[in-house]
Order: sequence, then C-alpha cells, then structure tokens
Amino acid sequence: DGGITQSPKYLFRKEGQNVTLSCEQNLNHDAMYWYRQDPGQGLRLIYYSQIVNDFQKGDIAEGYSVSREKKESFPLTVTSAQKNPTAFYLCASSIAGTGGGEQFFGPGTRLTVL
Amino acid sequence: GENVEQHPSTLSVQEGDSAVIKCTYSDSASNYFPWYKQELGKRPQLIIDIRSNVGEKKDQRIAVTLNKTAKHFSLHITETQPEDSAVYFCAASKGAAGNKLTFGGGTRVLVKP
Repeated sequence: DGGITQSPKYLFRKEGQNVTLSCEQNLNHDAMYWYRQDPGQGLRLIYYSQIVNDFQKGDIAEGYSVSREKKESFPLTVTSAQKNPTAFYLCASSIAGTGGGEQFFGPGTRLTVL
Repeated sequence: GENVEQHPSTLSVQEGDSAVIKCTYSDSASNYFPWYKQELGKRPQLIIDIRSNVGEKKDQRIAVTLNKTAKHFSLHITETQPEDSAVYFCAASKGAAGNKLTFGGGTRVLVKP
C-alpha cells in the first residue's frame, strides 16, 4: 500500500474556510495529480504537475489551488470559492513523460462542509 | 477535450459467469487505456492497461480489447468471484499530454454467490 500518503483521512470544514489537503509520495515520481470523486461518479481531474515548480489546471480547477515546491509533495487547497467542496479527494503520482503510464493513488481524504 | 463514456453503470452477475464493461472515447489521439478497480472505501488500483498498438491483452481472468477505428475498448472478466465485486473505471490518455487521464463514470459490479 505505501508509497503515496494523504492526510487527513477525514476533514470537516465550515463554510467560508480554506482547507489544505496533504499528499506525499516517496516513489520518486515526477508527476502528481489531484482528483475529485463524488458519490456514484468517476474521477475528475483538478490539477496536475509534471515537474517541480510547474502545474496545470485540470477539468475542474475553479475554487482550488496547488503548489509543487518539492518533488515529494503536492498539497491541494480548497478555497471558499469552491461552492460544493464536499467530496472524496484522491491524490496520485506517476513517472512523467509521454505515452501514458500507471498512476498510483493515495488512500484519499473525505472532505465534508458543515 | 477527451470524453470517456462507460456502460453499464451497474452490473450484477452470478458467480462463475462473465462480466463485460464497455467504454468509448472521443479523441482519436488517445493511445493509453487503463482500467482501475476500486473496492468500497479504498483507493483505485490498476488491474490492466492497453496501448493503441495492441488490440487485445490478457492477464489471467481479465482481458481488455481495443478497437481504435470505433474508438471503444472493453474489459472482460471471466469466471467471476465474489472478490471481483467493486467499482471499475476505464480511462484514456494522450501521450502528448503526458499522463493526464480522463476517466469514465464507473461501473459497479456485484457478483452474487
């Protein structure tokens, strides 16, 4: 199971608050990703990063922000601008480069807005 | 951008029967097609993948087929067992965009003993 970790497992937020979800990997992967999963739905890409100090918006980036200051870490901030943030958030990592390759997922953080 | 459709959304099979899940994609430039299995409350895990230069790939009881012309690919599970019960996701990726994956909506598979 190890290699990519997320914390906390459960997170409760009051409306109007920003919260930061942690994602760390020790797989020496260059690429990291954040997905959102809603009940009964697929995974939607929020942000991804192919290399340190660089990241790109995914399909649903509005209301979220990220940073990639270290290869091992890719934290996601859910801002108050995200209108419906309650969801299951999954972080993933993979080797970089073209052609596709396996993404390894963390255990996820379940965020609930009170 | 890429759009991946997955069917059916739920699938109930008797233990020992086969299960088939189908996905279609919209971008003909996509060249990598993985399948992930997600058990309840757990992280998705890769079970099999296929690249566009291959038409079929098999790994024990699971197989994936790819039809590039029709832009669809399918997952086949034979001799299903109760531990195959999970949600399965297909995905598609273009090499030019690195490893960015677009996922289908998922299929909840229930294997009845």
